[in-house]
Amino acid sequence: QSVVTQSPSASGTPGQRVTISCSGSSSNIGSNSVHWYQQFPGTAPKLLIYRNTQRPSGVPDRFSGSKSGTSASLAISGLRSEDEADYYCATWDDSLSGWVFGGGTKLTVL
Amino acid sequence: QVQLVESGGGVVQPGRSLRLSCAASGFALSSYTMHWVRQAPGKGLEWVSLISYHGTNKYYADSVKGRFTISRDNSKNTLSLHMNSLKPEDTAVYYCARDRSGWPFEYIDNWGQGTLVTVSS
Repeated sequence: QSVVTQSPSASGTPGQRVTISCSGSSSNIGSNSVHWYQQFPGTAPKLLIYRNTQRPSGVPDRFSGSKSGTSASLAISGLRSEDEADYYCATWDDSLSGWVFGGGTKLTVL
Repeated sequence: QVQLVESGGGVVQPGRSLRLSCAASGFALSSYTMHWVRQAPGKGLEWVSLISYHGTNKYYADSVKGRFTISRDNSKNTLSLHMNSLKPEDTAVYYCARDRSGWPFEYIDNWGQGTLVTVSS
């Protein structure tokens, strides 16, 4: 059971906007940046959003991140079939002195 | 481009040891904090350990503290993870990953393809 929680699943139809949430506490999300990773089955994760809101070069602007208090969110607009993947949030936890990943959200494009 | 290639995975009996290696290329390993992250079959990501660019600072997840040791040889562009007293729950794909920074660390920006460790009798 991770100290940072995500809904296990999310879904949407092509073209829709979907939001994936990540909930933590004052020792992790509340005091540190949140980063998001995308993972397709059988492959390594890929950095999607860093420092809460920043997109690495090559990541479409359909992907956006936000953070407020002890929660963070990843939004995907103009949903496409190729967005179907697992999404993980990650942050440092001051109490644990370690990185924590959310449990992951499996996104299904209907 | 950044390449991280893990090796050393395999099947090992509970209680035994295993050493994973990660060969880095396409960048100066000596300038970056490095991580190990694992993923049990069908499960989510779990951070395991990190080591600062100079090797002085090391952090471990509680689940592996006292059993795993992270190390690096910048002259050989290699990151290692020594795993002792292995348990069945250590079964996972182990990813070598690069941090965006040397120190203080920031976030993982590149990942290897992973090596599978199976702990079973």
